[in-house]
Amino acid sequence: EAGVTQSPTHLIKTRGQQATLRCSPISGHTSVYWYQQALGLGLQFLLWYDEGEERNRGNFPPRFSGRQFPNYSSELNVNALELEDSALYLCASSSADSKGADTQYFGPGTRLTVL
Amino acid sequence: AQSVTQPDIHITVSEGASLELRCNYSYGATPYLFWYVQSPGQGLQLLLKYFSGDTLVQGIKGFEAEFKRSQSSFNLRKPSVHWSDAAEYFCAVGSGGYQKVTFGTGTKLQVIP
Repeated sequence: EAGVTQSPTHLIKTRGQQATLRCSPISGHTSVYWYQQALGLGLQFLLWYDEGEERNRGNFPPRFSGRQFPNYSSELNVNALELEDSALYLCASSSADSKGADTQYFGPGTRLTVL
Repeated sequence: AQSVTQPDIHITVSEGASLELRCNYSYGATPYLFWYVQSPGQGLQLLLKYFSGDTLVQGIKGFEAEFKRSQSSFNLRKPSVHWSDAAEYFCAVGSGGYQKVTFGTGTKLQVIP
């Protein structure tokens, strides 16, 4: 079974540009989560999509946005990039089991560097 | 609101020694608990999870964790650490269903020969 995939692996942008990150969930998973992991700041929850809808959002400005497509893959868009947006962006997918428990499985991440 | 505390930021152990990483959670009902491991620059890998039943949970790579409701803890253990276990470990708590999972701040494990 293929795991969560993310592209690109690395992305280099300059301040003010836009970045688009992509995530394909595990087959059969309908939920996709995005996290930002900046140096020394741990995992910060960004966005959660399920069945094409945004279900929850972390404490990030509106220039962080995304969407989920009918095939459950997802995009994260970051507009007006700032230097502090440099981080590893992790995507996870999940599907509730018979007990309604939700286990997240992570992709390898996209390393975004803003110059 | 649910929360997770990992009180140890860094831990150093000798190869072959036993390991225990601490995790304390705050949640009103029965929590769903997870441990993940992250190698540098990589994504998180699920080590084990607890939803219900036996409070001692076995995971991959020889790890186990014990759920103690009275202490609100879910500590991760390994009897003999290998150099390849050097990584960052994250504890997480969820509330089941389609609810957000909250991650701890992580514990970095260094293994010395």
